[in-house]
Amino acid sequence: LAKTTQPISMDSYEGQEVNITCSHNNIATNDYITWYQQFPSQGPRFIIQGYKTKVTNEVASLFIPADRKSSTLSLPRVSLSDTAVYYCLVGDRGSSNTGKLIFGQGTTLQVKP
Amino acid sequence: DGGITQSPKYLFRKEGQNVTLSCEQNLNHDAMYWYRQDPGQGLRLIYYSQIVNDFQKGDIAEGYSVSREKKESFPLTVTSAQKNPTAFYLCASSRRGITEAFFGQGTRLTVV
Repeated sequence: LAKTTQPISMDSYEGQEVNITCSHNNIATNDYITWYQQFPSQGPRFIIQGYKTKVTNEVASLFIPADRKSSTLSLPRVSLSDTAVYYCLVGDRGSSNTGKLIFGQGTTLQVKP
Repeated sequence: DGGITQSPKYLFRKEGQNVTLSCEQNLNHDAMYWYRQDPGQGLRLIYYSQIVNDFQKGDIAEGYSVSREKKESFPLTVTSAQKNPTAFYLCASSRRGITEAFFGQGTRLTVV
């Protein structure tokens, strides 16, 4: 899987929009970008996945530029409950996938009141 | 309800003993994974399996063993050869070749 780079930590305040950027310079043509959220002492939870341009669901938006070498997870109007670690993964969804899901260090988001 | 279940949630063992962590899923997923997480760190891949009766080592397989005799089950044994086994262990499953994985609630293993 393509190596990813994220900021180690970010701080925000309640009600603000938070954008977490992930770099994946070596992304392959067949790779998708997936983001997970993890709360303390719990397993990660899938948030969103995309291939190009923009994807939006009830939780977040994912922005992917044309060159796909980075992606940005956008959390609108965060609350204290959004305090968590956010992981960016890049991998092939097709049958050639080696099966390894590699998580990096993630970005620890701290939302303050 | 479909999901992935790890048991027990907390486990204590004496040093030198082998211990097996359970992971069961009823999502009909082909792929299953085991991760280890240390305090303040990310997830590190121990073993993964794409299909029954087949599994591969991840980045930190030394001192661990697995089996995949059934599609639903992927138990992890922490052996006495694992130098520092105290950690939070997470099991996950996904459809084969898909990067959307579902995780269990984890097992916190403490070796004293």
